[in-house]
Amino acid sequence: KQEVTQIPAALSVPEGENLVLNCSFTDSAIYNLQWFRQDPGKGLTSLLLIQSSQREQTSGRLNASLDKSSGRSTLYIAASQPGDSATYLCAVVGGAGGGADGLTFGKGTHLIIQP
Amino acid sequence: DTGVSQDPRHKITKRGQNVTFRCDPISEHNRLYWYRQTLGQGPEFLTYFQNEAQLEKSRLLSDRFSAERPKGSFSTLEIQRTEQGDSAMYLCASSFLGPAASYGYTFGSGTRLTVV
Repeated sequence: KQEVTQIPAALSVPEGENLVLNCSFTDSAIYNLQWFRQDPGKGLTSLLLIQSSQREQTSGRLNASLDKSSGRSTLYIAASQPGDSATYLCAVVGGAGGGADGLTFGKGTHLIIQP
Repeated sequence: DTGVSQDPRHKITKRGQNVTFRCDPISEHNRLYWYRQTLGQGPEFLTYFQNEAQLEKSRLLSDRFSAERPKGSFSTLEIQRTEQGDSAMYLCASSFLGPAASYGYTFGSGTRLTVV
């Protein structure tokens, strides 16, 4: 069964720092990987989608990489701002037991950017 | 079409009552998913539809849960005889499945259910 792990579970850094969030998955037979942001009590906002054939995607200050063979992805946030404070979720499509094209999520990284 | 809409945003109900949630997906999307998220956890897959056909249900979806998507448009998720353990955020997502697998998911804002 596909399992997704996110490290760290929580992170608090001063404003302006660059930071890296990590995601690993147990079954490398994925179709794609998606990073989401979730604000408290809210739904999910898609940040970046990486297809299995791609190595990375960039959007503004965000860069996500994918190493499918090793089952890892990272989300890099440059020049962090207090508005980046949220929970960041990594999810994959595919892999054993994940439900046909359904997403398997990690538990998320709770990020706090201190002003 | 501005995205995936869910209604209501919040629902408080007494244990044993029935509740129904609605999801309106992005009109061009042919797949619709329901997820459940409890505090401190990532969302968990419940069920999904391709057009009007319900193709898969998770074992998390007990007999008290039923989902429909008439005519392949909006979807409803009904919980009968609610229990306190049903308290969670219920999230709906839609996607378009083309010939080369999914093109990413768009989520709604969710329905927060509290069973008292």
